[in-house]
Amino acid sequence: DGGITQSPKYLFRKEGQNVTLSCEQNLNHDAMYWYRQDPGQGLRLIYYSQIVNDFQKGDIAEGYSVSREKKESFPLTVTSAQKNPTAFYLCATRTGGSGNQPQHFGDGTRLSIL
Amino acid sequence: RKEVEQDPGPFNVPEGATVAFNCTYSNSASQSFFWYRQDCRKEPKLLMSVYSSGNEDGRFTAQLNRASQYISLLIRDSKLSDSATYLCVVILNTGGFKTIFGAGTRLFVKA
Repeated sequence: DGGITQSPKYLFRKEGQNVTLSCEQNLNHDAMYWYRQDPGQGLRLIYYSQIVNDFQKGDIAEGYSVSREKKESFPLTVTSAQKNPTAFYLCATRTGGSGNQPQHFGDGTRLSIL
Repeated sequence: RKEVEQDPGPFNVPEGATVAFNCTYSNSASQSFFWYRQDCRKEPKLLMSVYSSGNEDGRFTAQLNRASQYISLLIRDSKLSDSATYLCVVILNTGGFKTIFGAGTRLFVKA
């Protein structure tokens, strides 16, 4: 989606290493989300944030951390505690106010283990 | 039981065929409904919203039946480019808003 930038597009992690995935948006959306997608599977929610300086765990938060210091940015760190990090990571945003607005996605980051 | 369930796929159809996807949801607090399309190795993209009155966008028609807690997507005159995974999405209003994604149904349109 235009306005949501994820980087890098591809990322390789060594054993024991923490890596950070970037998600930046210029849509002025309040809510931001991180999902993980494994091959042939659906989306699983890792973390989400409804407002700046606040975030909540999703369904599979273990081994991940986030921050929301600015409205535009919601970086995801994949820590060494995440033993199976290979997946497609998707960032999404949604405008606040009315709750019936859909989420919009960035084009994702593919993370692999070296 | 999953909160949002979709037809298991994949669907294999010839070009020009009409194909229907079905989706059921279990939570009566479901407020808003959408269909997304996800191409292989790409991000999901919003296809259309779904309303009780039904809505149409070219070859695509979406329908919502609140009484049966059922959503459908109909694609007429299928094109090769329609090959993708179609995701049913529901937003719950349970004090806060929560988005639930279905697992998706894969569609292959063949020449």
